[in-house]
Amino acid sequence: DTAVSQTPKYLVTQMGNDKSIKCEQNLGHDTMYWYKQDSKKFLKIMFSYNNKELIINETVPNRFSPKSPDKAHLNLHINSLELGDSAVYFCASSQEVPGVGWNEQFFGPGTRLTVL
Amino acid sequence: AQSVTQLDSHVSVSEGTPVLLRCNYSSSYSPSLFWYVQHPNKGLQLLLKYTSAATLVKGINGFEAEFKKSETSFHLTKPSAHMSDAAEYFCVVSEVTNFGNEKLTFGTGTRLTIIP
Repeated sequence: DTAVSQTPKYLVTQMGNDKSIKCEQNLGHDTMYWYKQDSKKFLKIMFSYNNKELIINETVPNRFSPKSPDKAHLNLHINSLELGDSAVYFCASSQEVPGVGWNEQFFGPGTRLTVL
Repeated sequence: AQSVTQLDSHVSVSEGTPVLLRCNYSSSYSPSLFWYVQHPNKGLQLLLKYTSAATLVKGINGFEAEFKKSETSFHLTKPSAHMSDAAEYFCVVSEVTNFGNEKLTFGTGTRLTIIP
């Protein structure tokens, strides 16, 4: 009954490799997000998709390419991994509710990426 | 652009004593403000939210926060700390993008340690 799930939970890889992280939500939400949390716990949004369309791209290197095959999935592909990509990546989803000025974002458990 | 500043990176309190986690915000208009909690190796969970209704907001697990416009503050409090409160706490401000969805900006986090 997991609401937002991510795979894998841990990912250890060498510099220069290409890797993907998958995210799925079973909440029926229209909007999904990727956040990066660095070693100092600072969380920053990377991307947001609404109904499979990219709506937020926060100056993330183009080595990072999000892909949304359907509105329940938002995968993150990273090319040519660098040491600085080591972080915890969180997926989240939300649903716009008409008349409500905010939409709660539900977060996945995170994927800890370590680049050696 | 909106931002939040968490004034303490680390707070330690004894079990049973009050908790105060400080947050100041910067916004050009009435913001929506949130507190999220992250337990070790877990995802983020919404504690409480302020969205221009009552200025004193009650959340889960006995936490509450007061929105003070004159002080641009949104401090998180709890009357009596419990061991299970040990976690990282994030103050968050949101803005609505041109597409109508939420973009969250996180503070740098405050690690709360509970002393037995």
